[in-house]
Amino acid sequence: GAVVSQHPSWVICKSGTSVKIECRSLDFQATTMFWYRQFPKQSLMLMATSNEGSKATYEQGVEKDKFLINHASLTLSTLTVTSAHPEDSSFYICSARDQTLYEQYFGPGTRLTVT
Amino acid sequence: DAKTTQPPSMDCAEGRAANLPCNHSTISGNEYVYWYRQIHSQGPQYIIHGLKNNETNEMASLIITEDRKSSTLILPHATLRDTAVYYCIVRVGWNTGNQFYFGTGTSLTVIP
Repeated sequence: GAVVSQHPSWVICKSGTSVKIECRSLDFQATTMFWYRQFPKQSLMLMATSNEGSKATYEQGVEKDKFLINHASLTLSTLTVTSAHPEDSSFYICSARDQTLYEQYFGPGTRLTVT
Repeated sequence: DAKTTQPPSMDCAEGRAANLPCNHSTISGNEYVYWYRQIHSQGPQYIIHGLKNNETNEMASLIITEDRKSSTLILPHATLRDTAVYYCIVRVGWNTGNQFYFGTGTSLTVIP
């Protein structure tokens, strides 16, 4: 149990386009999901906290208009990188909080490459 | 912000115990110590967590000092598949669902 999936696992897009990444909790309901970004050889950096049915809370320095987060259901949160640029190329990881057990489980990550 | 300090890298011989230290000198009474690991290009994997008592599960043991200012993760018989970056994180409450703030971690290399 406690599986979190992400789709796609990797994506290549052209500069200026937008790309959407999905995070799903497969066997539990998650009122809260978290989005992280990880650059090569660096640690995970928390970007935002996503709460079902309400606006996301962004960490300091993260552009909310560039990284759009939607958490429309208890099993799905999406991260849309708008007007992507090469510097947005990174590994994006989500985690989901089980609303019954309150523990967090991480997804496998999505590799974004912007050309 | 991360509140832990870990050595950047360590080596361990295959089959031997790997002991990974972590300093968390500013830990509060209600903060738990969590350990995760990340194998290259994968999401973090939960290993173990504890408050003040030593903990053991099928993956590892967690030793927390009496003053709670440091801890050690022990992988009893390291294998090549244990090569990963290991993160020690402190977080308020075990069931609050609060955010994890990752530090720089320790890159463990298990050598054949």
